[in-house]
Amino acid sequence: DTAVSQTPKYLVTQMGNDKSIKCEQNLGHDTMYWYKQDSKKFLKIMFSYNNKELIINETVPNRFSPKSPDKAHLNLHINSLELGDSAVYFCASGRTGTTDTQYFGPGTRLTVL
Amino acid sequence: AQSVTQPDIHITVSEGASLELRCNYSYGATPYLFWYVQSPGQGLQLLLKYFSGDTLVQGIKGFEAEFKRSQSSFNLRKPSVHWSDAAEYFCAVGANNNDMRFGAGTRLTVKP
Repeated sequence: DTAVSQTPKYLVTQMGNDKSIKCEQNLGHDTMYWYKQDSKKFLKIMFSYNNKELIINETVPNRFSPKSPDKAHLNLHINSLELGDSAVYFCASGRTGTTDTQYFGPGTRLTVL
Repeated sequence: AQSVTQPDIHITVSEGASLELRCNYSYGATPYLFWYVQSPGQGLQLLLKYFSGDTLVQGIKGFEAEFKRSQSSFNLRKPSVHWSDAAEYFCAVGANNNDMRFGAGTRLTVKP
């Protein structure tokens, strides 16, 4: 019954590695998002995908690449991980062009050593 | 450009006391305003939202917020805080789902 789910919940890895975080929503929404929450709790949008097209990219390094195989999934791939990538990453979903609520996943805490 | 300011980084209140969390925004048009809560180790949950109409908005868990255009504010209130309200609270502003900006958050601690 989980509306927005993410895996893994925790991810610890070494600098330079490549990792992925998966997100799935079962709400029938047409838009999905990735947010980064830093150590100071500041929440910043990274990407959104609507109908398999990227519609927002907020000056995120190109080491980060969202991939959406279908409307229900938006995975986040990160190449050559850096220490500064350590954060909590939240997936969310919503309906484009509306003021409907965005629903958030539980978050993935990424730690880069 | 739109922005959101939450002036209080951390607030401590006693259980049963009233609560007000401040939120100020900057936006070029009529804003859509949101309050989310994040419990420790959890994702964000919507408390309430304002789009138009009555400027006093009721939300879940006994929270309410009042939109004051003249002050560019959307403060969150609760008349009597419960220990389970301890969490991080985020104000957000946007024109729609694709345009939301979050404030830096206010951490609420509840004393017994």
